[in-house]
Amino acid sequence: EPEVTQTPSHQVTQMGQEVILRCVPISNHLYFYWYRQILGQKVEFLVSFYNNEISEKSEIFDDQFSVERPDGSNFTLKIRSTKLEDSAMYFCASSEVLAGYEQYFGPGTRLTVT
Amino acid sequence: SQKIEQNSEALNIQEGKTATLTCNYTNYSPAYLQWYRQDPGRGPVFLLLIRENEKEKRKERLKVTFDTTLKQSLFHITASQPADSATYLCALPRDTGRRALTFGSGTRLQVQP
Repeated sequence: EPEVTQTPSHQVTQMGQEVILRCVPISNHLYFYWYRQILGQKVEFLVSFYNNEISEKSEIFDDQFSVERPDGSNFTLKIRSTKLEDSAMYFCASSEVLAGYEQYFGPGTRLTVT
Repeated sequence: SQKIEQNSEALNIQEGKTATLTCNYTNYSPAYLQWYRQDPGRGPVFLLLIRENEKEKRKERLKVTFDTTLKQSLFHITASQPADSATYLCALPRDTGRRALTFGSGTRLQVQP
């Protein structure tokens, strides 16, 4: 069964450093999303991406964040200058365009900012 | 934007019983509502979607109801098993016509053998 994959599974970085989290969505899906979950808290939406552009973003997704689809398979989230409060689990998700609104999530990348 | 309330207390039930979880929402009435399962340290897994014109949806031992007047969804697991122990999340579109989801904080279900 097709699945969303994410790398790395765990990233440790120092405050102020740039990180890039990578995702490979399900191949025939065209909507892509990033969510994050701070330990013990709810899953929060960051950004959605369709047709090579951002379709929606939350107030969390400020100028420190950017997304890119560098090729036909990868979808990346970049944090330019990490802060301690960026420590969280970051989930990538994808969904089909026509069939339904259900989203398929990857296993997540645990980002630890020290 | 949408606000969602789920029982924050963990639900403990005996194997074989039916678990019932509640999701209440405020603000606008969504076109659909989704339920996900999340295990510790893992990503949410889609379970069921119910649309505003559907009162009830079933999938194997799962049943979801959607009452747009009460602004409430109930999620039932019949003949529960220890393997059903997880956190169950209710999710709605953030806004009308949007695909991005707002999630509830989830209800943790513990099924005792």
